[in-house]
Parts: sequence; C-alpha cells; structure tokens
Amino acid sequence: DQQVKQNSPSLSVQEGRISILNCDYTNSMFDYFLWYKKYPAEGPTFLISISSIKDKNEDGRFTVFLNKSAKHLSLHIVPSQPGDSAVYFCAASARNQGGSEKLVFGKGTKLTVNP
Amino acid sequence: GAGVSQSPRYKVAKRGQDVALRCDPISGHVSLFWYQQALGQGPEFLTYFQNEAQLDKSGLPSDRFFAERPEGSVSTLKIQRTQQEDSAVYLCASSLAGNLNEKLFFGSGTQLSVL
Repeated sequence: DQQVKQNSPSLSVQEGRISILNCDYTNSMFDYFLWYKKYPAEGPTFLISISSIKDKNEDGRFTVFLNKSAKHLSLHIVPSQPGDSAVYFCAASARNQGGSEKLVFGKGTKLTVNP
Repeated sequence: GAGVSQSPRYKVAKRGQDVALRCDPISGHVSLFWYQQALGQGPEFLTYFQNEAQLDKSGLPSDRFFAERPEGSVSTLKIQRTQQEDSAVYLCASSLAGNLNEKLFFGSGTQLSVL
C-alpha cells in the first residue's frame, strides 16, 4: 500500500513553459514534504521542501504547493529549462509523531523539457 | 571528497553469495540512512543511524540484511545469502543532524545485481 503516490510516470513540456508535477499521500500523520531531483547514475538531490503549517514555499523557479485537506502537493517549475529534465521524487515524513527521521518516497515522475 | 561516497559502484553477485556495501558520509554528518531502490520504484527506507547508534532498522527486509556504523562515520550494509529479489540500487544518505529541515545528501548508490 503506497503512502506517497505519483500517478504520472512521465511528463513532457516545452522549454519556457510551466511544468507541474503532482503527488498525493494517504498518511495524515505526514507533516513534512520534500521534492528530490535525480539524474541518471546519480543519487537524488534535494530541491525544495514544505512543512505542513504552510501551503506554499517558493525558491526561484520552483514552487511547492500543499493542500492538506486534499492530501495533495504539487511542484511548479517556471520557466522550464532543458536542464530540468530528470526524475522528480516526492517524499514525506512524520517528524513530529515520534517516529524516526525516515522519508517515504513516491515512484517518481520523469520530466522531459524539450528545447 | 565533499559528497557522500559509496563503493563499489556496481556489484554482481551469484545467488547465495554474501556482499558488503560501503558508505562514506560527509565528514561530520551525524545522521546516516540506507535506502533500497528497485527498478522503476522510489527509494525505500532500510535503516537509520545517529552517530554509531542504529535507531531504526524497521525497513530491513529480512535477517539477511545487517548494517553497522561502529565509529559513527563509515557504514557498511551487509547482505548474506543474496537472492535475486535483492537486486536493486542501494543508496546511502547523510545529514548534519537528524533534523530533516536540513538537506539529506545522497550518494550515487551501489547497483547490486544478483544472478
């Protein structure tokens, strides 16, 4: 039973346009959410995060939106660049519930930005 | 080096063979995690250390898996009597403290293939 779901295995957008990557979660105990980016043959690298007390966090071209009532978050990249082409993983943790620091990851969405 | 280093980069094992995977975290990082990533899946938590203490090993799939970090720096993940289902990329990650507000730095992983 997947607690973090990324239902789109792939997404293709044109350079300069907006990329929107979606993520749904089922565990209401999750209180911290992160996006990681992964290039082939490399480990994931941290991109942006959001605490459950917020509904938006922005860092340059990247914005994460959190809708707690819908248990949904999304990553917006604007404008998209060819170098953004990678696999994006959504991850969540239940930090304030006395659990360990482990992250629960989705299966990832492969983003392709076409020049 | 400045990043998390894992060795070997690739490991091919015959079914039933024991393997040992090494992780050198970033110097001074207190927290260390091991994740397993099967093909087409997101990383799945295996175990977590804070310094030399193994605080969570709930993700280890069987008693054939064992991890240690005896001096609070380098960690080794050992898999005994490997099975085909153990084939995956094993990712190590470290962070300065157990606070997930800080970035988790991943290594490039060890790709294990069990024949």
